Amino acid sequence: DIQLTQSPSSLSASVGDRVTITCRASQSISTYLNWYQQKPGKAPNLLIYVASTLQSGVPSRFSGSGSGTDFTLTISSLQPEDFATYYCQQSYSMSRTFGQGTKVEIK
Amino acid sequence: QLHLQESGSGLVKPSQTLSLTCVVSGGSISASVYSWNWIRQPPGKGLEWIGYMYHSGSSYYNPSLKSRVSISLDRSKNQFSLNLTSVTAADTAVYFCARGSSIAVDSWGQGTLVTVSS
Repeated sequence: DIQLTQSPSSLSASVGDRVTITCRASQSISTYLNWYQQKPGKAPNLLIYVASTLQSGVPSRFSGSGSGTDFTLTISSLQPEDFATYYCQQSYSMSRTFGQGTKVEIK
Repeated sequence: QLHLQESGSGLVKPSQTLSLTCVVSGGSISASVYSWNWIRQPPGKGLEWIGYMYHSGSSYYNPSLKSRVSISLDRSKNQFSLNLTSVTAADTAVYFCARGSSIAVDSWGQGTLVTVSS
């Protein structure tokens, strides 16, 4: 299986901060990397697919980049509704896998 | 607007079989471009892919669960199902059904908590 390692596992930030989360794959996955946001008690929500394409309806403050093994999710100006857990996920392999998650908390 | 709704037993005894169904409305499970997925999340932990199936019947399962998992489609009822055999407490989780493509999962059910306990 392709392993995805996210860093950090958690972070504290303030409203208006620029936040960056990274995801590293155990082998090259081209750009087959997606990002999801999950709020407590809710299902995950797709934010970005194929590394950098914003899902319809997702605010433009979210952006993604990367290819190969290293990927980044950036929130340009953190909003109160962005406090959540973020997961990366690869669709390069038929055996899909998620990263362990990054929890974004209020400072 | 696609809607997915999980249903099934919320309490399963150890060694028994966990069975869940996902009813799909607002779209057809026979659409060729989509996969029908089961994903779970143990309490307080991260997401784990269980498996998925295409309308053609092709299926892919998490290697760590493969010997115990089966997913099936019922096109007449527009629903799909999950069976997980020989459950233990480690299978306690919120189980999500979801629609995917070759790229990503774009629609999720709300999730249902299944507890394995005697």
